Amino acid sequence: GAVVSQHPSRVICKSGTSVKIECRSLDFQATTMFWYRQFPKQSLMLMATSNEGSKATYEQGVEKDKFLINHASLTLSTLTVTSAHPEDSSFYICSAIGLVRADTQYFGPGTRLTVL
Amino acid sequence: SQKIEQNSEALNIQEGKTATLTCNYTNYSPAYLQWYRQDPGRGPVFLLLIRENEKEKRKERLKVTFDTTLKQSLFHITASQPADSATYLCALAHDRGSTLGRLYFGRGTQLTVWP
Repeated sequence: GAVVSQHPSRVICKSGTSVKIECRSLDFQATTMFWYRQFPKQSLMLMATSNEGSKATYEQGVEKDKFLINHASLTLSTLTVTSAHPEDSSFYICSAIGLVRADTQYFGPGTRLTVL
Repeated sequence: SQKIEQNSEALNIQEGKTATLTCNYTNYSPAYLQWYRQDPGRGPVFLLLIRENEKEKRKERLKVTFDTTLKQSLFHITASQPADSATYLCALAHDRGSTLGRLYFGRGTQLTVWP
């Protein structure tokens, strides 16, 4: 149980375009979802926290107009990177916590974004 | 804010030996601490959670200790196998009273187990 999926797993886009990444909890209802970014050999950096039906809470230094988060249901959150630039190239990972074990995050497999 | 240090970037050991990874933190003692495994190009996988009132937790070949006096957690893999080769991440719960489930992550220790 506690499976989280992400789609797509890899995406390559041109500079200036927007990219949407989906995060789904497959077998549980996610009260909260988190979005992280990870650069090579670096730690996971929390970008934002989202709760179903409410606005996401962004970490300091993360542009909310650039990284749009929508948490439309208890099983789906989306991250849209708007007007992507090469410096946005990174590994984006989502995680979710459920009602039963709120202290354990279950991670998706990640999305590798490359902006040309 | 919390600063988390994992002992080394890389650890190489021989198959069958015990791998010991260290996680030190500098600020408040978290309500709980977790260890995750991450393979290249994949998301982290939850391994163990230990609470502030627990000294030790075990799961099969894995053992975690938590010393709030030393502000340190040790993660042990006994009878290590090449399949244990991965990056292991230490994660600390955020301050009490803030967003439930929010974690701070260390940079990880890359473990290589050679035959």
